[in-house]
Amino acid sequence: DVKVTQSSRYLVKRTGEKVFLECVQDMDHENMFWYRQDPGLGLRLIYFSYDVKMKEKGDIPEGYSVSREKKERFSLILESASTNQTSMYLCASSLGTGVAETQYFGPGTRLLVL
Amino acid sequence: RKEVEQDPGPFNVPEGATVAFNCTYSNSASQSFFWYRQDCRKEPKLLMSVYSSGNEDGRFTAQLNRASQYISLLIRDSKLSDSATYLCVVTVSGGYNKLIFGAGTRLAVHP
Repeated sequence: DVKVTQSSRYLVKRTGEKVFLECVQDMDHENMFWYRQDPGLGLRLIYFSYDVKMKEKGDIPEGYSVSREKKERFSLILESASTNQTSMYLCASSLGTGVAETQYFGPGTRLLVL
Repeated sequence: RKEVEQDPGPFNVPEGATVAFNCTYSNSASQSFFWYRQDCRKEPKLLMSVYSSGNEDGRFTAQLNRASQYISLLIRDSKLSDSATYLCVVTVSGGYNKLIFGAGTRLAVHP
């Protein structure tokens, strides 16, 4: 079974704080993704990585950065948290880049920025 | 216009009912199609892929109409455990496996 874990289920941070969200997968997957999910909008891709130290912007990268120093770990960083970044953050991984590849999701982190 | 559109619901149905969800997508270059299921406060999980010829998995049937850019999911003999949000997902080839998610349709099955 693929397992994707995220460091926190719930986080409360203050505006302006630097926030780190960690994601780890145990299936040696090449690709990792960060999404945010908001009511009525569905999941939106923030960043993804197809290899160690590689990253690509998704649809909504502004205000975020990522780091992938090891294959199994993909971190999402909010450099200066803002209230509009309150959301559910979901990490995912997939084995390859084929269009039919299944993505496996972590349990999500609910972030509240006050 | 959203790239993937779904009726948000909720669909409230009794156990044993048949329920159908529809989804439309705007990009004619979309290549692969899926339904994911997301339980309340949980992560999305793949329910089934959708093939051009249509496919069935137990009580679930998925259909794709490329000409109309339309995908459907039919659930027969609904169970209480089917209560969840169903996400329509398409992929567009662009050098990587980019999934585009609909906002989801919520299903509530009641006794």
